[in-house]
Amino acid sequence: DTGVSQDPRHKITKRGQNVTFRCDPISEHNRLYWYRQTLGQGPEFLTYFQNEAQLEKSRLLSDRFSAERPKGSFSTLEIQRTEQGDSAMYLCASSLAGSGNLGGYTFGSGTRLTVV
Amino acid sequence: GQQLNQSPQSMFIQEGEDVSMNCTSSSIFNTWLWYKQDPGEGPVLLIALYKAGELTSNGRLTAQFGITRKDSFLNISASIPSDVGIYFCAGPTMNRDDKIIFGKGTRLHILP
Repeated sequence: DTGVSQDPRHKITKRGQNVTFRCDPISEHNRLYWYRQTLGQGPEFLTYFQNEAQLEKSRLLSDRFSAERPKGSFSTLEIQRTEQGDSAMYLCASSLAGSGNLGGYTFGSGTRLTVV
Repeated sequence: GQQLNQSPQSMFIQEGEDVSMNCTSSSIFNTWLWYKQDPGEGPVLLIALYKAGELTSNGRLTAQFGITRKDSFLNISASIPSDVGIYFCAGPTMNRDDKIIFGKGTRLHILP
């Protein structure tokens, strides 16, 4: 399968616990994005990487959130001291920079986080 | 900041009907994207539009890039049950090539 893979698909955690999500992009894609989607909303940008460099972070990404892409391949998104407001679908997407017209991203199936 | 406004928020239609939805912005976009999201899945790109006035089809789907560059339309002809889902318009923020913003979506329901 050459799509974008996210793991886990679902995560239920107690408030205050730390969680980590993983994203494996399409192998030839050099850009990787994290978005958050809450009920009834469209995806909201959190951060993105070009290769291993994190180029932009949204103000939605509080100090409790950290994302890494150490070797320019897979990425992890960690949330520390989770709060109920963190409950959402976390979507990863990848794209190829410099491929001409913006052709949109390829999204993974997301990780659904529920904080109880 | 830039925002994409989609209407209607939701639609209830009979199978076989045609569907029309739109997306507007107060600022100009040089690319318009339409995605569909099925329950529990990530969005999937349906159609990309790159030129003002462009009309592009993908099967029963047709999308248009508005002449003003501030709007786009998506039409679905002869709807079928698998068309159920959320349709998002999206475009590059500040016309950059590296970040996309999304509207809030139009939820399509098909009545039995």
